Order: sequence, then structure tokens, then C-alpha cells
Amino acid sequence: NAGVTQTPKFQVLKTGQSMTLQCAQDMNHEYMSWYRQDPGMGLRLIHYSVGAGITDQGEVPNGYNVSRSTTEDFPLRLLSAAPSQTSVYFCASSPQGAGGGYEQYFGPGTRLTVT
Amino acid sequence: AQSVTQLDSHVSVSEGTPVLLRCNYSSSYSPSLFWYVQHPNKGLQLLLKYTSAATLVKGINGFEAEFKKSETSFHLTKPSAHMSDAAEYFCVPLYNQGGKLIFGQGTELSVKP
Repeated sequence: NAGVTQTPKFQVLKTGQSMTLQCAQDMNHEYMSWYRQDPGMGLRLIHYSVGAGITDQGEVPNGYNVSRSTTEDFPLRLLSAAPSQTSVYFCASSPQGAGGGYEQYFGPGTRLTVT
Repeated sequence: AQSVTQLDSHVSVSEGTPVLLRCNYSSSYSPSLFWYVQHPNKGLQLLLKYTSAATLVKGINGFEAEFKKSETSFHLTKPSAHMSDAAEYFCVPLYNQGGKLIFGQGTELSVKP
């Protein structure tokens, strides 16, 4: 199993540009999520999905869109990049979300810089 | 509100000495609890987890944590630090709200030779 994969590893965008961060998992996990990591702030949840066709907002959803058309993929879209979105983005997956104490498996991260 | 507090943003120890990373959670019920480790420029790796079985949980690389409901704490310990333990550590409760993880701000562990 490849686990959770993310592409690209690094990206530089200009303000106003759009892009999609890709995330895929091959573990047949129902639950997937996106976090951003900023210095001194830990990881903050952007959006999550409890299954194909179902998404919901986390703590910091503004400026980001997601969709979940398949179990495997959970792309994160930045429609109009802003310098405040400079961060490291992590995708994670889990067998299920609520209860059960399932750990989340994290991808290696995408380091995004918006100039 | 459900939250987690990592009491130290930075801990520095000498190699071979004990490690203690402190975590308190707030909740009206006991959540599942995790400790994750993140080495520089890497993703997060699970160290250990508590899911209401044994209160003393053993993890990888010699780490363990004890769940104390009366103190709402889940401190991470290791008897003897190794240089490779230098990393950032996150205490993470899992509350039953769509399975969302709530991350603490992290504790950076430095290990001096």
C-alpha cells in the first residue's frame, strides 16, 4: 500500500492564482481530511469528508473548496490564492471518523508559498 | 468547549535523561487520545493511542503515556532520551463530532548530546 499520497510536494503561487492540491489513499478509508500547519498553531482542520459525496467544513474553511467523488481521492482547491494561505498542507485518512479510536494516517505534506 | 492544552511549547533534555511532555484535555467525557510525532520536514506519525482500554499505553520507540481521568491528563514519557527523539510532538484527542481531531499547539523536544 502506498498509504496517503499528496502532490505536489512544493508549490509557489502568485496572489489570485488557483490550484488544486491532490490527495489520494489506497486503504479504502471512508474518512479523509485536510489540515494546514502554521508555526505556533499546530494543525487546523480545513475540510473533511466522512465518505464519497459527503464533505463538511472544519475550523478554517474560508478560501478552500473540496469535493469527494470517489473513496480514494479528496482534492483541495484554492480558488484565488492569498498570501495568508502560505502554509504546509496535510491530508489524512482514517477507516471511519466518529468513535472507535481509529488513528488518522497522514500524507507527507504540500508546502505552499503564495507571493 | 472541547480542547487540548500542551503545557510546554518547548522542552530540552540531555541525551539519556527522562522525557516528560505534558498534555491536558478538557471534556465532559473521555475521548480517545493520541500522541503524534513530526520530525523536521516530515509528515505526522502515530506514537501511541488510548481508547479506553488500559490506562498505561505503550507506543513506539520506547514512549508511553498514562491516561488519568481525574486529572484530564495524558502525559507522554520516555525513560531515556535519544538524539533521534528530537521532533515536534502533538497530543490529539478524538471527539465524537464527525471524528474530528483537535490538535494541540505542539511541543518541540530538543535533545542535547
